[in-house]
Formats: sequence, C-alpha cells, structure tokens
Amino acid sequence: SYELTQPPSVSVSPGQTARITCSGDALPKKYAYWYQQRSGQAPVLVIYEDTKRPSGIPERFSGSSSGTLATLTISGAQVEDEADYYCYSTDSSGHHRVFGGGTKLTVL
Amino acid sequence: QLHLQESGPGLVKPSETLSLTCTVSGGSISSSSYYWGWIRQPPGKGLEWIGSIYYSGTTYYNPSLKSRVTISVDTSKNQFSLNLSSVTAADTAVYFCARQPDDRAYYYMDVWGKGITATVSS
Repeated sequence: SYELTQPPSVSVSPGQTARITCSGDALPKKYAYWYQQRSGQAPVLVIYEDTKRPSGIPERFSGSSSGTLATLTISGAQVEDEADYYCYSTDSSGHHRVFGGGTKLTVL
Repeated sequence: QLHLQESGPGLVKPSETLSLTCTVSGGSISSSSYYWGWIRQPPGKGLEWIGSIYYSGTTYYNPSLKSRVTISVDTSKNQFSLNLSSVTAADTAVYFCARQPDDRAYYYMDVWGKGITATVSS
C-alpha cells in the first residue's frame, strides 16, 4: 500500500520558520494537501494542490513540492500554530487516498 | 455556512456493527460537486480515510477496510451513514465526516465535522 512519510516532530521558537516535509513516491505527479489539527479539534485544510491557500488561512502558511518531497512552510511561526500537521495525497493509480503519519509542531 | 454533525452510539460491543450518521446542514448533499466521506483517528494516532459516497450512491472504500464497510446516503434527510461490521478494539477511534470536492482525482476534504468518539468494548 502507498505511504506518505513525515517527521514525527518539528520544534521552533516563535517567529522562526517551520518546515514540515512529506515524502511519497507519487508526489512528482500528484498534488499534496496539508491539514492542521489542533488538540481535540477536527482537521483544517491549510494548503491544497501543493501551493494554494484556502481563504481565511494566514499568509504565513505556504506550500511547495519538488520531486518526491512536499513541504509545508510556516514563516514566522506563532504559538497558535502549535498543532499536528498531516499531508494527504493519492498513489499513482489514484485509487489509494492516504494521509501521512503526522508531524507534531511545537512552538516555544 | 456548511455544517456537518456526526451522531451515533459511543459504545459498541466487539464483533457487532458500528453505525454512525452524518447530518449535513447549510447545503445540499445532492450537490453534483461533492462526495461525502468518513475518516477516523485512533487515540493518539493519525488519520485514516475510510470511504466516500456520492449522492447517487456511488461509493469508494479504503481497500484495507472494504470488506467491513458500507456507506449509504439518504438525500431526503440530507444525511449519509457509515456501517462498520465485526468491530474490534482496533476500531476504537474518533470518527469524522467530511465534504470532498469531486475533482475526479484527489477527493480531498475541505469541510469537516467535529468528530464523534466510538469505543469498542464489552
């Protein structure tokens, strides 16, 4: 089965840039999507189609993709950005829709 | 504003069937632009897509759960439902329902319910 691999944790100080990666064999030809999940809450879409930001998502959130690696960047991370972040995509056939294992972002 | 609300029993016995319903308000489940899906999250673990349904009844399931999952839709009530059979403790999780734009490829989730905890225990 298809897998997306994320680092378990990333830690930054407030105001620093946080980068969370997502690795998958199909990512050179498939979009990545990113979700933020604060503790005890439902996930929220923060990036779609690799680089697009839904309305209402702060500009400090951006996405990029190169080869088999998609990256979520939070420029000037704030304490309220502390959350779990999940990438989402499909395999090359489009039949298997999967989430990455999640990355816990700590901002302190 | 679209709102999704999960409902159902919070406790299910092993080997029985878990049944949950998602009620959609603020929009029509019969929209041709969307699928409607279920996602779960075991305690302390990550997200897992379970399956999705179109208002016409077309379904797609996670291959790893396909043998135990049935998703149905009731357009008259603006609801869709999940049945997961032969449950074990491994099925204990928070279950979310979500809207999925029909982009013919990714079916990502753009609006989520708050989730409901389902525990499998005797």
